[in-house]
Amino acid sequence: NAGVTQTPKFRILKIGQSMTLQCTQDMNHNYMYWYRQDPGMGLKLIYYSVGAGITDKGEVPNGYNVSRSTTEDFPLRLELAAPSQTSVYFCASSLLIGETQYFGPGTRLLVL
Amino acid sequence: DAKTTQPNSMESNEEEPVHLPCNHSTISGTDYIHWYRQLPSQGPEYVIHGLTSNVNNRMASLAIAEDRKSSTLILHRATLRDAAVYYCILRVFEYNNNDMRFGAGTRLTVKP
Repeated sequence: NAGVTQTPKFRILKIGQSMTLQCTQDMNHNYMYWYRQDPGMGLKLIYYSVGAGITDKGEVPNGYNVSRSTTEDFPLRLELAAPSQTSVYFCASSLLIGETQYFGPGTRLLVL
Repeated sequence: DAKTTQPNSMESNEEEPVHLPCNHSTISGTDYIHWYRQLPSQGPEYVIHGLTSNVNNRMASLAIAEDRKSSTLILHRATLRDAAVYYCILRVFEYNNNDMRFGAGTRLTVKP
């Protein structure tokens, strides 16, 4: 049982490039989340999903897109990378709404 | 939204108890008090949560004031591995609520 896994661990992007951050969970959780964490700050919710085919915006969704075609996977897409998107991105999942969230190890993204 | 206030940092000696305070004076009757911690270079992990009564688990204890306007996370014997940022979060346990807002938390340093 690996829990929540994220790839890549670290990536450098040039301004305007695009990329997909991968997130997979093997706990059969319905709910999945994407957060970003800027240096010295707490986490902010970008998008979340309540099940396959259903996604919704969080606190800071601009510049990102998500999809949820399976229960296990919840990729986060950056279409036109900007320096303001330099951050650490965490994926999380939970069995039910409001219950304990389990986090992945994070992806560190640097946009230059 | 109800908010929490925590000290920016605290220090402790190894094998001594640690009391991490959290103020939440605008807490509502349906808000649960959750604690997560984030070890260096890792995603957050769940520690404990409660509503009104004090709670204990293998990681920590949570003491909740009678008026619920404050709470204290208690680590009974701090180890070096407990050095982390600790987040106190209020969550409403309801169907549609994904709002887990992280503040800056308390950075705990444990000295050998």
